[in-house]
Amino acid sequence: GENVEQHPSTLSVQEGDSAVIKCTYSDSASNYFPWYKQELGKGSQLIIDIRSNVGEKKDQRIAVTLNKTAKHFSLHITETQPEDSAVYFCAAGRTGGGNKLTFGTGTQLKVEL
Amino acid sequence: GAVVSQHPSRVICKSGTSVKIECRSLDFQATTMFWYRQFPKKSLMLMATSNEGSKATYEQGVEKDKFLINHASLTLSTLTVTSAHPEDSSFYICSASPLTSGTPDTQYFGPGTRLTVL
Repeated sequence: GENVEQHPSTLSVQEGDSAVIKCTYSDSASNYFPWYKQELGKGSQLIIDIRSNVGEKKDQRIAVTLNKTAKHFSLHITETQPEDSAVYFCAAGRTGGGNKLTFGTGTQLKVEL
Repeated sequence: GAVVSQHPSRVICKSGTSVKIECRSLDFQATTMFWYRQFPKKSLMLMATSNEGSKATYEQGVEKDKFLINHASLTLSTLTVTSAHPEDSSFYICSASPLTSGTPDTQYFGPGTRLTVL
């Protein structure tokens, strides 16, 4: 089955700096890669996703890059703000695979003033 | 759009009792709903996948008789934890995939239910 690894487990940045979280996956058939943000005691919110037919996707301060050959994808947050502080999860899935997603272990991002 | 609600948000129950958690897609119809369990500072663990009108598919190691799932309509799925024990205490999260073409893999998550079994 799919195995997703996520690094780092914790990340602390100064407000205004950029943050990068990286994930690798094992199943070359995976073609859908969403990123979720989870605030303390809450469910996860989809913040951005990318499919394997593109290498990069951007939405305001958030971007995701995908390297299919190397089987890794990354989340980039620019101009970080305190409200970006949360746990971020990456996930991988494949179309037609029962829509199941395999999640990474999460990254605790802390944006310090 | 794409809002998923869960009820209750928190529940405390005595050991041996059953607890039902509801998951609703508020502004879309969901072909599939998923139930996850999350331990503190851990990732989401998929428990089961449910499709409206059919039996749920449980992940390996998840007891189907303990965690009963009913997907009654395209907007509602319920998870019942039967004969709950303290080790069932956890954060339970549901998600739903819209009934639309083009994005069949997108999952929208509910806010979660914190279950505490005394």
